[in-house]
Amino acid sequence: EAQVTQNPRYLITVTGKKLTVTCSQNMNHEYMSWYRQDPGLGLRQIYYSMNVEVTDKGDVPEGYKVSRKEKRNFPLILESPSPNQTSLYFCASSLIGTGEAFFGQGTRLTVV
Amino acid sequence: AQKITQTQPGMFVQEKEAVTLDCTYDTSDPSYGLFWYKQPSSGEMIFLIYQGSYDQQNATEGRYSLNFQKARKSANLVISASQLGDSAMYFCAMRPYSSASKIIFGSGTRLSIRP
Repeated sequence: EAQVTQNPRYLITVTGKKLTVTCSQNMNHEYMSWYRQDPGLGLRQIYYSMNVEVTDKGDVPEGYKVSRKEKRNFPLILESPSPNQTSLYFCASSLIGTGEAFFGQGTRLTVV
Repeated sequence: AQKITQTQPGMFVQEKEAVTLDCTYDTSDPSYGLFWYKQPSSGEMIFLIYQGSYDQQNATEGRYSLNFQKARKSANLVISASQLGDSAMYFCAMRPYSSASKIIFGSGTRLSIRP
């Protein structure tokens, strides 16, 4: 089954404790991206990648890191999480171009 | 500016009725994609339907159809014979060729189906 898989689905952590949210897709897509969704602010792009070893900042990259060492994986790293990073996070993947993107199940992160 | 506008924050519809969710977009790109996503209360983002700017016919996927009116820059989602399981948040989105690295989302419409 074609899918984007994020882990974990839910995470509660403490301020400053490094964490990684994993994202994996099995559709051989070049494009992958991370978004966060907050009430009243909608979906905002954090980082994206157009291919292996090619990553770039989105609209709200501060406090996040990413890497794209393999085509299928695009982990999101929070080196020192803060409460303002409490949010619902989505990973998405697609072919390059104007076509539809497929989203993971979402990761609900709470930083206390 | 590239933008998606959804003017209906919330809608209530009787089960089995058809419903139209409005979406207008703004882009100067001649090439772009338009999509709709459904987000149920469980939180996941489910892709529903896609329309390319050069597609001559309106897209359809089962009970979903996209009413694409290019001159008016609108891309309304029509759900026929609504079901209780259709209750969710619906997002219209766009991906212009010139900025295909980012998907532009509208603010969403919360659809509630009454039994």
